[in-house]
Order: sequence, then C-alpha cells, then structure tokens
Amino acid sequence: GAVVSQHPSRVICKSGTSVKIECRSLDFQATTMFWYRQFPKQSLMLMATSNEGSKATYEQGVEKDKFLINHASLTLSTLTVTSAHPEDSSFYICSARDPGGSNEKLFFGSGTQLSVL
Amino acid sequence: QQQVKQSPQSLIVQKGGIPIINCAYENTAFDYFPWYQQFPGKGPALLIAIRPDVSEKKEGRFTISFNKSAKQFSLHIMDSQPGDSATYFCAASITAAGNKLTFGGGTRVLVKP
Repeated sequence: GAVVSQHPSRVICKSGTSVKIECRSLDFQATTMFWYRQFPKQSLMLMATSNEGSKATYEQGVEKDKFLINHASLTLSTLTVTSAHPEDSSFYICSARDPGGSNEKLFFGSGTQLSVL
Repeated sequence: QQQVKQSPQSLIVQKGGIPIINCAYENTAFDYFPWYQQFPGKGPALLIAIRPDVSEKKEGRFTISFNKSAKQFSLHIMDSQPGDSATYFCAASITAAGNKLTFGGGTRVLVKP
C-alpha cells in the first residue's frame, strides 16, 4: 500500500533553534498534505493544510510564522518549527492524500517526536 | 468546540472480549467517518470507515455501527487479542470541504491475555 515517510522520527534541540520535519509520499503524488500535532495521551489536532505550489492554510490559533510549511513538490512537504521553545515539544504527524481521490486514500506518517530543551 | 466526542477514554477487556467505543458528532455535514488505530510513537493507521448511507460495515474483526438520526457511530472489536491493545480514534470529515479530519479524543484499549 501507499506509504508516507516522515523524518526524523525523533529530534532533540535547544531552545531558540529551528527544526525541520520532512513528509514524503513514496509511491504517489500528494497534492495535499496535512500536519497535525499531538500531545501525550491526547488527540490529533490539525495545524495546517499544505497544498503543492501554493501557501498553506493554517487552522485558527496556529502561528504561521512559527510553523513554516513548504510544499514545493508533489512528494514532499516540510514543517519548520522556528525558534523552538519547550512548549513546542510535541508529537508532529503528517498525512498525505492520494489525489486518486477517495477519503480512504489518506495515509499518515509515523510521526516526529520533538523535544525542546 | 469539540465536534466529535469519543467515549470511553480507556477500556480494559480480557482476550476474546468485545471492546466497544462510541463517538457522537454534531455537524450534520460530516459524510465520512473513519476509525484509526495508533500504537505508541507511531502515526495512526486507518482501520475501517463508513459513510452515512450505510448502517453497518464489517472488515475482519472490526465492525462499525452507524446511527444517522442519533448522530452516533461505534467501533466493535470482535474476539479481541492482546495485539489490539492500542489507542483508537474516531474521526469525521466533509468530503466537499477538502476531507480535513476532525478527531475524537481517543480511547486507550488494553486487551489482557
């Protein structure tokens, strides 16, 4: 089946640095990717919708200057957490939709655990 | 505003038992209702999904029951196994609005041997 690869799986960084997370669709071209954030023992909260070739659409309350999203190709979207602080520590998950179209063809990456010291 | 409410938060059953997880939604525009399974440190994986024109759907040991008038749907795991121990999330989306998923709060299921 289709696979979405997310890298890195875990990252530890110092406060004030920026961290980039990559999300790749491996065997299909994803015109749309989604980025979620998940705190321990909580649900997934949608942060933004990433559209290839255009600006991302952010959910209410998500700082677009803090969480930079780039979807420069049909197989790659990146999330950059800029000037990270301890409160940004979380599990970040991407998903990608196969444009072949049905809702079922939405695949999730394995997530990135970000720890900001 | 939480648009999809999930219960219970956690559930313990013996092997062979049938965990039942319930979800209720508010937005009648939702037209796609998937269930996801998530293991610790991993992303969610689609288990099974249903649309409002169907009242029940089975895939293997997983069954969704859907009650459109009550705006509720549930997941049953038949003959549960210890390997089914995971967190389960219901979700809902509107196809015409780009399929953005709204997740329920999750249910941690533990199946004891």
